[in-house]
Amino acid sequence: EADIYQTPRYLVIGTGKKITLECSQTMGHDKMYWYQQDPGMELHLIHYSYGVNSTEKGDLSSESTVSRIRTEHFPLTLESARPSHTSQYLCASSLRAGGAYEQYFGPGTRLTVT
Amino acid sequence: DAKTTQPPSMDCAEGRAANLPCNHSTISGNEYVYWYRQIHSQGPQYIIHGLKNNETNEMASLIITEDRKSSTLILPHATLRDTAVYYCIVRVAYSGGGADGLTFGKGTHLIIQP
Repeated sequence: EADIYQTPRYLVIGTGKKITLECSQTMGHDKMYWYQQDPGMELHLIHYSYGVNSTEKGDLSSESTVSRIRTEHFPLTLESARPSHTSQYLCASSLRAGGAYEQYFGPGTRLTVT
Repeated sequence: DAKTTQPPSMDCAEGRAANLPCNHSTISGNEYVYWYRQIHSQGPQYIIHGLKNNETNEMASLIITEDRKSSTLILPHATLRDTAVYYCIVRVAYSGGGADGLTFGKGTHLIIQP
């Protein structure tokens, strides 16, 4: 069973508020990812990190930002939440290794901006 | 990454084997076939992956055709808890650089009937 955690699981917040979604993993994985998924729709990669102090934008443009100061921690921040940010945010991690690899996902944070 | 094609939905009776097909006719020689599933509102879960040979683990079996243009995920004794969206993903092996997030399509919604 993968040890990757996300908090909060559900968040309802007003427009203009700053929010941080937490993601942590205890597996020592180098690589971490954030995906966004609207209800009934596909997952899209919005951020990823190869390791400490490394962050990159994913395939889908996002107004959120991420940081990676510690291996186990990969928080996502929205400086000013808007209703268009309403979505589910999924964090994942994988081991940096040659050949094939698998990603482990957290339970997700369901964000609603009113 | 090669594109995959999956049926949008399938039904299977509880206790029977569920066979989920995936076409990936443009797959390259260095691309693996991965299967993930997503149970309603949860984070995706890795199931199995393979390159050329058939693979089996405690969750499922993966059958890849000799020409590698298609594959089948087999859940040998489906239970109600296997109701989920199943994603077939084709991806190159980790190469040490570049965006390596997974590209999720729409998947197959497998419904296990009691």
